[in-house]
Amino acid sequence: GAGVSQSPSNKVTEKGKDVELRCDPISGHTALYWYRQSLGQGLEFLIYFQGNSAPDKSGLPSDRFSAERTGGSVSTLTIQRTQQEDSAVYLCASSLRRGSGLEAFFGQGTRLTVV
Amino acid sequence: AQSVTQLDSHVSVSEGTPVLLRCNYSSSYSPSLFWYVQHPNKGLQLLLKYTSAATLVKGINGFEAEFKKSETSFHLTKPSAHMSDAAEYFCVVTNQGGKLIFGQGTELSVKP
Repeated sequence: GAGVSQSPSNKVTEKGKDVELRCDPISGHTALYWYRQSLGQGLEFLIYFQGNSAPDKSGLPSDRFSAERTGGSVSTLTIQRTQQEDSAVYLCASSLRRGSGLEAFFGQGTRLTVV
Repeated sequence: AQSVTQLDSHVSVSEGTPVLLRCNYSSSYSPSLFWYVQHPNKGLQLLLKYTSAATLVKGINGFEAEFKKSETSFHLTKPSAHMSDAAEYFCVVTNQGGKLIFGQGTELSVKP
């Protein structure tokens, strides 16, 4: 597609359940990022993939959070045993390659609500 | 380590008046800086970026920003606000590995 695609756009889940959020980056983009945006807050970095390098997981808030990127393209963010504080908009972005001057393109986000 | 501070959480202007959204950064090397805009219920869109070329950067929708190394600032301006400019604005710095570091955001309100 022309842009970064995220699915689902909205997800309501019960506390304690696992959820998977999907990100389809722009074709050919080797860098992929996950961020979280809570109500009234800025963007919190979660994880960063770049090509075949080991991902930068330094932003994952707990071991309930994990992410993978298959074949250097699609990425899935998994949250196990969801808690109410996990409610947020999860944003995915991709850029052409690793580099400090390159624009990142963002998806529309997945709004996760844990009830 | 890199960091970015947006000095105002909320700015309110009247339509047709100038806009100033302030951003200060901290970086141990020559940074790349960006401004992104997020309209309600929309994704993040790049407004403009600075990558060590011209210090005055022009972006979309009439916005521009000036990189001032001596002041470690990258303030966003627009001569005349429009109602459609009402949105959340984020100042962003990247580290050498490409990780985007976001400021807390400034909500811009435009009054008729």
